[in-house]
Amino acid sequence: KAGVTQTPRYLIKTRGQQVTLSCSPISGHRSVSWYQQTPGQGLQFLFEYFSETQRNKGNFPGRFSGRQFSNSRSEMNVSTLELGDSALYLCASSTATGTQYFGPGTRLLVL
Amino acid sequence: DQQVKQNSPSLSVQEGRISILNCDYTNSMFDYFLWYKKYPAEGPTFLISISSIKDKNEDGRFTVFLNKSAKHLSLHIVPSQPGDSAVYFCAARTQGGSEKLVFGKGMKLTVNP
Repeated sequence: KAGVTQTPRYLIKTRGQQVTLSCSPISGHRSVSWYQQTPGQGLQFLFEYFSETQRNKGNFPGRFSGRQFSNSRSEMNVSTLELGDSALYLCASSTATGTQYFGPGTRLLVL
Repeated sequence: DQQVKQNSPSLSVQEGRISILNCDYTNSMFDYFLWYKKYPAEGPTFLISISSIKDKNEDGRFTVFLNKSAKHLSLHIVPSQPGDSAVYFCAARTQGGSEKLVFGKGMKLTVNP
């Protein structure tokens, strides 16, 4: 079974721009979660989607948003990028057992 | 408020010996705990998990112990191998239907040949 895939793997943007990241979960997984990893803050939860509905949201500003499609694929969007948004963005999918399986991440660099 | 704590940032052990990684938590609503292994610039790889109704779970060289009264869990790796060298994260999920995980800051394990 294919794992979680994320595109693109690397991205360079400038301040003020917006970015969209994509995640395809493991087949059959209906829950998709997003996390941000930075050296100072570690892995922090952004939001979770289940059956196209946001089920939980972390403590991030409204510039961070996401959505999930009927095929469980998910996208997250960051608008008005700031230097501090430079991070590794990780997507994870899970079944009802609660074990999340992570993708390789998208490395975002904001200049 | 850090709900999941990995108080030691690093651990170095000899190949063949036991590695013990510790994790403490403060939220008594956590019902499921997981350990992940991570290499730089890659996503975390799931290792092993334990439900709050159990106190031990084994999978090959990996064993996780849960002490609910102390709000403490540990990951034992026996025997340790150089390929185990990575950053290990402890994570916890709150009961209630969401899959949100709360992660510790991670611990870097180095296994020396």
